Amino acid sequence: EAGVAQSPRYKIIEKRQSVAFWCNPISGHATLYWYQQILGQGPKLLIQFQNNGVVDDSQLPKDRFSAERLKGVDSTLKIQPAKLEDSAVYLCASSRFLGQGNTEAFFGQGTRLTVV
Amino acid sequence: AQKITQTQPGMFVQEKEAVTLDCTYDTSDPSYGLFWYKQPSSGEMIFLIYQGSYDQQNATEGRYSLNFQKARKSANLVISASQLGDSAMYFCAMRELANTGNQFYFGTGTSLTVIP
Repeated sequence: EAGVAQSPRYKIIEKRQSVAFWCNPISGHATLYWYQQILGQGPKLLIQFQNNGVVDDSQLPKDRFSAERLKGVDSTLKIQPAKLEDSAVYLCASSRFLGQGNTEAFFGQGTRLTVV
Repeated sequence: AQKITQTQPGMFVQEKEAVTLDCTYDTSDPSYGLFWYKQPSSGEMIFLIYQGSYDQQNATEGRYSLNFQKARKSANLVISASQLGDSAMYFCAMRELANTGNQFYFGTGTSLTVIP
């Protein structure tokens, strides 16, 4: 099966600009996650979708970050305006619905964002 | 409180030797899953091994095994016969099944270097 697809792989923007990341999960995976991974740290969950509904966005800086998952498939994460501290790798992951068994999350290759 | 604790920021192991990466977790949920992921310098997160809280046997996957000690809330990863390609960051993660969010909690990671 095809893996989780993310684009772009790399992005450099100036502070106060806006940026968007795209994720296409594995077909049939109901749960989609966006993580932020700052260099040298573990991934931090930003938002979790179950189909097209938000399950957890408690750590999403809502004044500047937004995410949507239209039709319960693809997802877009946006930052507007970007700050220097947003420089990180943004990882998208997907997994089957837990009711179908406890399964691992499959990750995309990530988008490395540099804010200058 | 931290859900996942990895106390070894960096580890070194001689090629062909075995190495243990430590992980302790904190949960009051009786039903949970424990995962280990490998993150090479290229950035993708690769699933290695899974242990369910009700599993009686320790999980094994090829050269990877999980030393699960439920009473001590530890889930250490053992890599046998280390190879140069094992050099990477390793993350322990947990998923609580009764938690409505069902999110993955990640540790801060351990950087493993295999020495020829």
